[in-house]
Amino acid sequence: QITLKESGPTLVKPTQTLTLTCTFSGFSLSTSGVGVGWIRQPPGKALEWLALSYWNDDNRYSPSLKTRLTITKDTSRNQVVLTMTNMDPVDTGTYYCTHIIMSGRFFHFDYWGQGTLVTVSS
Amino acid sequence: QSVLTQPPSVSGALGQRVTISCTGSSSNIGARYDVHWYQQLPGTAPKLLIYNNNIRPSGVPDRFSGSKSGTSASLAVTGLQAEDEADYYCQSYDNGPSGSTVLFGGGTKLTVL
Repeated sequence: QITLKESGPTLVKPTQTLTLTCTFSGFSLSTSGVGVGWIRQPPGKALEWLALSYWNDDNRYSPSLKTRLTITKDTSRNQVVLTMTNMDPVDTGTYYCTHIIMSGRFFHFDYWGQGTLVTVSS
Repeated sequence: QSVLTQPPSVSGALGQRVTISCTGSSSNIGARYDVHWYQQLPGTAPKLLIYNNNIRPSGVPDRFSGSKSGTSASLAVTGLQAEDEADYYCQSYDNGPSGSTVLFGGGTKLTVL
C-alpha cells in the first residue's frame, strides 16, 4: 500500500525559505519508472505542478519557478525534500506530495498525500 | 489562466450524462502527449480518475471515461450520482519555449442537480 505524507511549517514569513518533507512508504525511489512529485493549490484555485524527482536522479522543475526550487531525495529514508526560496503571500496554498509512475513515454500522479497548508504572512 | 482550458462549471441531473472538455494546443495535447484526469472531492486531495487518455485505475467506476482527439480531451460521466459532485482537473505536458513542463487545466466544478 502506497502512502505519502507531507510535513513542514504551516506559517512562513515573506522572503523566508520553505522546506517541505515528503515521507513515503509502499515503494522505493530506486525502482525504475518511479518518481515523487510536488504539486500545490492556492485556496480556491487550480493545481500547479512544482517539481519532481525520478528514480534515476533526474530532477525536473516548473520553468516559472525553477530559480526558487530545489528537490532532493533520500532513498534510504524514503523521503523527498522540496525547498522554495523567497516565499511570498501568493505562495500560500496546500502543497501535495505525489507518487509518479511512468507509463510509456509519460507519467501520471497515481497516489497523493493529504496535503499540507502553508500560509505566507508576516 | 491555464494553458489547458476547462469550463469552470458543468451540471447535470442525477442519472444524466455530462462531459468536461480540456482544450490545449499543438505544443501539448496536440503534440500527442497523454492526458490524465483527477477528481477532487471537497476538502480532499485529488485522486487519479483516468490515465493515458482513457484508462481507468482499479476501483474507478466505468461510468467515467476519457477520450482525446487533436488538441482536446474529454471526460464523460454517465449515470450521474450525488457523490460525483467534485472538481475535475485534466493534466498533460508541454514542450514549449519555456522548456518541458507538466500542465494542469483550470479545473471544472461538477454540480449534480
